[in-house]
Amino acid sequence: GAVVSQHPSRVICKSGTSVKIECRSLDFQATTMFWYRQFPKKSLMLMATSNEGSKATYEQGVEKDKFLINHASLTLSTLTVTSAHPEDSSFYICSARNDRDYGYTFGSGTRLTVV
Amino acid sequence: KNQVEQSPQSLIILEGKNCTLQCNYTVSPFSNLRWYKQDTGRGPVSLTIMTFSENTKSNGRYTATLDADTKQSSLHITASQLSDSASYICVVSEGSGAGSYQLTFGKGTKLSVIP
Repeated sequence: GAVVSQHPSRVICKSGTSVKIECRSLDFQATTMFWYRQFPKKSLMLMATSNEGSKATYEQGVEKDKFLINHASLTLSTLTVTSAHPEDSSFYICSARNDRDYGYTFGSGTRLTVV
Repeated sequence: KNQVEQSPQSLIILEGKNCTLQCNYTVSPFSNLRWYKQDTGRGPVSLTIMTFSENTKSNGRYTATLDADTKQSSLHITASQLSDSASYICVVSEGSGAGSYQLTFGKGTKLSVIP
């Protein structure tokens, strides 16, 4: 089946530093990938839609300069949390849409803790 | 506004018992409906996906139903196991054909299976 690898699974960083999260589709191509944020006991909240070869589309209220997205290939999208603050601590999840059958596969998530 | 409502919000059942989770949606135009299982601290894993013409689909002990007329879906879990403890998320995709990708997430049902 379709597999999406997301790394790292956990990261702790200091305030003011930047953190990069990778989302990689292992056995299919994904022109479109999505980045979500999930607070404890809450549903996934779409942050942005990542499109290979073009700029990401951000949801209302999401700072594009804060959350940099790069989708440089058909199998890789990255989310960089810049100048991280404790309030950025959260669970970040990516998903990739299969170009062939339009199925969605989620990554296993990244737990970010900013101290 | 597209919405997906799930019930109950949480559910506790004894191991070995059956249970049914509900999902009502107002997404239009409807493309497909998916049920995901999300373990704590992990990304969602797909259980079933149904299009407009499908009214039931099984995946092991999981059986999903869809009534496109009433815009309702259910997920039935048979002979529950402790490992079934997780959040179950109903996700409805908007759009038509190849262009669909707008997803609307339910808030999930948290299932706890106890010995």
